[in-house]
Amino acid sequence: GQQVMQIPQYQHVQEGEDFTTYCNSSTTLSNIQWYKQRPGGHPVFLIQLVKSGEVKKQKRLTFQFGEAKKNSSLHITATQTTDVGTYFCAGKNTDKLIFGTGTRLQVFP
Amino acid sequence: NAGVTQTPKFQVLKTGQSMTLQCAQDMNHEYMSWYRQDPGMGLRLIHYSVGAGITDQGEVPNGYNVSRSTTEDFPLRLLSAAPSQTSVYFCASTPRGGPGEQFFGPGTRLTVL
Repeated sequence: GQQVMQIPQYQHVQEGEDFTTYCNSSTTLSNIQWYKQRPGGHPVFLIQLVKSGEVKKQKRLTFQFGEAKKNSSLHITATQTTDVGTYFCAGKNTDKLIFGTGTRLQVFP
Repeated sequence: NAGVTQTPKFQVLKTGQSMTLQCAQDMNHEYMSWYRQDPGMGLRLIHYSVGAGITDQGEVPNGYNVSRSTTEDFPLRLLSAAPSQTSVYFCASTPRGGPGEQFFGPGTRLTVL
């Protein structure tokens, strides 16, 4: 079945450093979504990418969807302590949304 | 709107017991789904529904049943609880016919002894 992997599993950064998480699917996706989950909370939708090669920005966050629509990345510029949490990608294939394994980000002040 | 609500918040079961996790949404969303979250494994899709009366299996459906008699409700039934079903369960809904932006409930933390 479809698998969605994310790397790294954990990332610890100093506040102000950049952070990137990568998402890879075993199958071509019709779209990819990104979610953030704060410790003890539930996943919250960040963004959806649909087009091959698409790049979207939300303030310090930059999201990319690969040309082959099988991979994606999330880059955070100049991390802040409020960025702490787990970031998940989720790939849509037919009518299912399959989540990646997540990257847990810890930011030290 | 209350959004997506889940009950109970916490539950402890003994092996072999059955129970139903409740999920309701008041946003008239067509698509609803159940996920379980285990450390290091992300969110795994258990069952989903594209509309009232229609359900289908996700990645890890064994040991769970669902039904969708109304648009609002999507209960998840554990038939005979096992320790391997200890997890955090999230229900989610999305406004369109397919899995677009998902709105998650607060989760149910289940422990099976």
